[in-house]
Amino acid sequence: SQTIHQWPATLVQPVGSPLSLECTVEGTSNPNLYWYRQAAGRGLQLLFYSVGIGQISSEVPQNLSASRPQDRQFILSSKKLLLSDSGFYLCAYETGVVEKLFFGSGTQLSVL
Amino acid sequence: GQQLNQSPQSMFIQEGEDVSMNCTSSSIFNTWLWYKQDPGEGPVLLIALYKAGELTSNGRLTAQFGITRKDSFLNISASIPSDVGIYFCAGYYQNTDKLIFGTGTRLQVFP
Repeated sequence: SQTIHQWPATLVQPVGSPLSLECTVEGTSNPNLYWYRQAAGRGLQLLFYSVGIGQISSEVPQNLSASRPQDRQFILSSKKLLLSDSGFYLCAYETGVVEKLFFGSGTQLSVL
Repeated sequence: GQQLNQSPQSMFIQEGEDVSMNCTSSSIFNTWLWYKQDPGEGPVLLIALYKAGELTSNGRLTAQFGITRKDSFLNISASIPSDVGIYFCAGYYQNTDKLIFGTGTRLQVFP
């Protein structure tokens, strides 16, 4: 069966520090992968998506970057965090066979 | 860009009541998805709809793909406390592979 793992669940980082959030998918190959951000009580904002290894599309200009070093691994990074980077980050995947998006459990990032 | 208008924004209901929420757009969508999100968790897929007019149930939940392909509805019958959460609609816009989310409906159920 297909599963998605996202870690850490919670992260508190000082302003100016680097960031690395990791997401992995199991049980499928060549998934489309996504990073979303959700402000408290708000909707979902698409940050990045990837249709294959090394292929990253950015939806909004920002302080963050994404990488896909392996087929089922998606990483969200920043060299220097800003206060405005705080939020709930969600990784998601779809298999491309059927239009359905499945989410990880999320990472609550607080930048202080 | 495309957007989905989801309503109501929030609902406060008594346990046992039925709930209705909807999502509308000025554009045509190929697929409609409904999600529920608990606090501090990722959204969980409830129902997926792929054809205009399609009516699909998942337990006490029923969703419909609007006949015009520009809207979708979610109904929850006989609500219970664990129905509390935020419900999101999402759709794949025609001729694209991007999923667009609604703004969410926050549901509170009182015993």
